[in-house]
Amino acid sequence: GENVEQHPSTLSVQEGDSAVIKCTYSDSASNYFPWYKQELGKRPQLIIDIRSNVGEKKDQRIAVTLNKTAKHFSLHITETQPEDSAVYFCAATIRLGDKFYFGSGTKLNVKP
Amino acid sequence: DVKVTQSSRYLVKRTGEKVFLECVQDMDHENMFWYRQDPGLGLRLIYFSYDVKMKEKGDIPEGYSVSREKKERFSLILESASTNQTSMYLCASTQGNLVGDEQFFGPGTRLTVL
Repeated sequence: GENVEQHPSTLSVQEGDSAVIKCTYSDSASNYFPWYKQELGKRPQLIIDIRSNVGEKKDQRIAVTLNKTAKHFSLHITETQPEDSAVYFCAATIRLGDKFYFGSGTKLNVKP
Repeated sequence: DVKVTQSSRYLVKRTGEKVFLECVQDMDHENMFWYRQDPGLGLRLIYFSYDVKMKEKGDIPEGYSVSREKKERFSLILESASTNQTSMYLCASTQGNLVGDEQFFGPGTRLTVL
């Protein structure tokens, strides 16, 4: 089955700096890659996603890139703010309506 | 707006007790999932269901069972709770008929087994 690895497990940046979180996946059939943000004490929520026919997607300060050849995808957050502090999870899925395979999570701390 | 609710936010049980965790979604979603979340291990899938009375094992089904008698409700059962089942349990649902559809999560149940 699919295996998703996520790095780093913790990331600390200064407010205004950029943050990058990387994930690799094992199954080349995976075709959808969402990113979830979980603030302390709250439920995970989708923040951005990318499909395998697209190389990059942006939404304001957040972007996701996908390299299908290398089987990795990354989350980029620019101009970080304290409210970006949270745990971020990447995921991959192979089939329509199928289960997600989640990474182990990255705890991002943005220092004011 | 999709709403996924879980029966309890916090639960304390004793070893050997039978524990029921309930999840309800109100958007007629086809698929429902149960995860446990532990520090450093991310979200691990316990069971999922893509239709009423249908279930499939996830990555860590041992010690758990599930029930889906109605489309909106998905129950996680710990037949005989053990201390290593102390964890945060998250339920999620997806529409199920679109590739890559979003998983909507419940607020979670923090279970402590003494």
